[in-house]
Amino acid sequence: DAGITQSPRHKVTETGTPVTLRCHQTENHRYMYWYRQDPGHGLRLIHYSYGVKDTDKGEVSDGYSVSRSKTEDFLLTLESATSSQTSVYFCAIRPAGGADTQYFGPGTRLTVL
Amino acid sequence: KQEVTQIPAALSVPEGENLVLNCSFTDSAIYNLQWFRQDPGKGLTSLLLIQSSQREQTSGRLNASLDKSSGRSTLYIAASQPGDSATYLCAVGAFTGGIKAAGNKLTFGGGTRVLVKP
Repeated sequence: DAGITQSPRHKVTETGTPVTLRCHQTENHRYMYWYRQDPGHGLRLIHYSYGVKDTDKGEVSDGYSVSRSKTEDFLLTLESATSSQTSVYFCAIRPAGGADTQYFGPGTRLTVL
Repeated sequence: KQEVTQIPAALSVPEGENLVLNCSFTDSAIYNLQWFRQDPGKGLTSLLLIQSSQREQTSGRLNASLDKSSGRSTLYIAASQPGDSATYLCAVGAFTGGIKAAGNKLTFGGGTRVLVKP
């Protein structure tokens, strides 16, 4: 599993509340990614990080922000959750150099009521 | 904008039959292509990665082919088993380059849900 954990694994929240999801890795990989998975859309990239404090937007970044203050942690924040952000969120890492394979965490199921 | 399509969305086969899963993409300027497996409620597990210069990759009972000119990839699973039941996703990688590079931005298809019946 490439040492990736996500927390929480499940969360139910109400519209308008802030939510932070955490991705933690144990192997000091440079690249980290946040995706969301929705029926009919597959996985879509939200934000990614290419180093500590280095982040960039993905395909569906509106309404989301990220932070990476340590190599091992990549945080995804929904400043004011909306029902359209109900989804399963996956974190992934990609080791620098070598193969380009991305390794995924177990996911966080978020429900916004 | 790259679009990745997987048809059919679901597939049911008897045990022992060979599985053929299709993936098509609209932009042939790809960096690589990956096939992933996803079990219910779980994350994704990488099965095979094909670089853009390659035509196929094999791992055990799995074989994936890539035809960039036609925008197609096919995943073959020989002699299917009930344990092969899962959703299979195809993802096309685009190399972004530079210091900000995501290294390999992936565009995913919607997946094919496979059921192998004993």
